[in-house]
Amino acid sequence: DAGVIQSPRHEVTEMGQEVTLRCKPISGHNSLFWYRQTMMRGLELLIYFNNNVPIDDSGMPEDRFSAKMPNASFSTLKIQPSEPRDSAVYFCASSPGPEAFFGQGTRLTVV
Amino acid sequence: AQKVTQAQTEISVVEKEDVTLDCVYETRDTTYYLFWYKQPPSGELVFLIRRNSFDEQNEISGRYSWNFQKSTSSFNFTITASQVVDSAVYFCALDRSNDYKLSFGAGTTVTVRA
Repeated sequence: DAGVIQSPRHEVTEMGQEVTLRCKPISGHNSLFWYRQTMMRGLELLIYFNNNVPIDDSGMPEDRFSAKMPNASFSTLKIQPSEPRDSAVYFCASSPGPEAFFGQGTRLTVV
Repeated sequence: AQKVTQAQTEISVVEKEDVTLDCVYETRDTTYYLFWYKQPPSGELVFLIRRNSFDEQNEISGRYSWNFQKSTSSFNFTITASQVVDSAVYFCALDRSNDYKLSFGAGTTVTVRA
């Protein structure tokens, strides 16, 4: 298996633009997570899906953030409109059980 | 509430030295899992180990070993005979058994000098 695949690896966008991050989880994993990593806050969970259903989105910072999982093999995290403070590395992870396997992350820079 | 504390921000050693990373956790759950992840300079998060709360046996995998002590709520990680390739940020994490959401510590940056 290729592991969790995220795209793009790097994204630079202007403030106010819409940004969409994509994730393909490992086949057969029924849980999917979006994490954000910043210097100030470290690694923090944004949202968690189980069997394609959002279970906990309490970590989503505000309404500008939204996430979807239309099927078991694809998820998106959208930021609209983006702001400079959204600059971070966004990780997608999937798991069949307790341990999560992470993608390589998307480094987002909002200028 | 769950909390993971990695008190060491940075550790610098010379190659072949041993290095121990401390991890202390807080949870009210009786069933939980503890993890260590490695984040090398390339940025990805690499899973190293998982331990459940009922298994206090120490574990060794090559040059890596883990010491889980429930009495002190600690899950420490030792790299024996460190190598330059061990240079990375190491994260300790905790999750509950019923939702698999990870709470990460702040990470410890390990630098191994040749």
